[in-house]
Amino acid sequence: AQKVTQAQTEISVVEKEDVTLDCVYETRDTTYYLFWYKQPPSGELVFLIRRNSFDEQNEISGRYSWNFQKSTSSFNFTITASQVVDSAVYFCALTLATGNQFYFGTGTSLTVIP
Amino acid sequence: EPEVTQTPSHQVTQMGQEVILRCVPISNHLYFYWYRQILGQKVEFLVSFYNNEISEKSEIFDDQFSVERPDGSNFTLKIRSTKLEDSAMYFCASRSGLAGGKGDNEQFFGPGTRLTVL
Repeated sequence: AQKVTQAQTEISVVEKEDVTLDCVYETRDTTYYLFWYKQPPSGELVFLIRRNSFDEQNEISGRYSWNFQKSTSSFNFTITASQVVDSAVYFCALTLATGNQFYFGTGTSLTVIP
Repeated sequence: EPEVTQTPSHQVTQMGQEVILRCVPISNHLYFYWYRQILGQKVEFLVSFYNNEISEKSEIFDDQFSVERPDGSNFTLKIRSTKLEDSAMYFCASRSGLAGGKGDNEQFFGPGTRLTVL
């Protein structure tokens, strides 16, 4: 069975601080895909990144970076120099090679205080 | 850029009433999905649909729920007799499914329909 765990329920940081959101996943499949989504107060799911299980290269996009480590089954997300607009709920998700259902974590609510 | 659309954005209904949530997936996508997110909780899979039939469904997707692709563009979720606990955000998603296609395992989510059952 597949499972995604986001142990941090809520995080508060002061603007300009760096923050890391943790994601740990479980699957016995060797081919899988990991995602991060942002859910602002308006409710939509905003796609941030997709990573496949064969690509452990870390990725940086502006103030966002992702650290994928298969050895620890983790796919952590770091926001550098956080801004108030980063305040949202962030979900980590997993899907298998079949591409069928997504397995979502419970989300981390990030509040950036000005 | 193509996107998944959903209507209405917010639906209010009385308990026991039937509701139909509508989605227009991305053109040429072959796989369609519905997810549910109860307020403050995680996004949960309801059902997947391919080739005009359900390919997978979760325990949540009981006899009160049904899905349909009535024409070439719409994908609907019907709840026959709504209950208070059906109040949630419902997300539709679609996936290309074309082998070798860009992001063929990526599901593109619509903006959601917030269902409130009174």
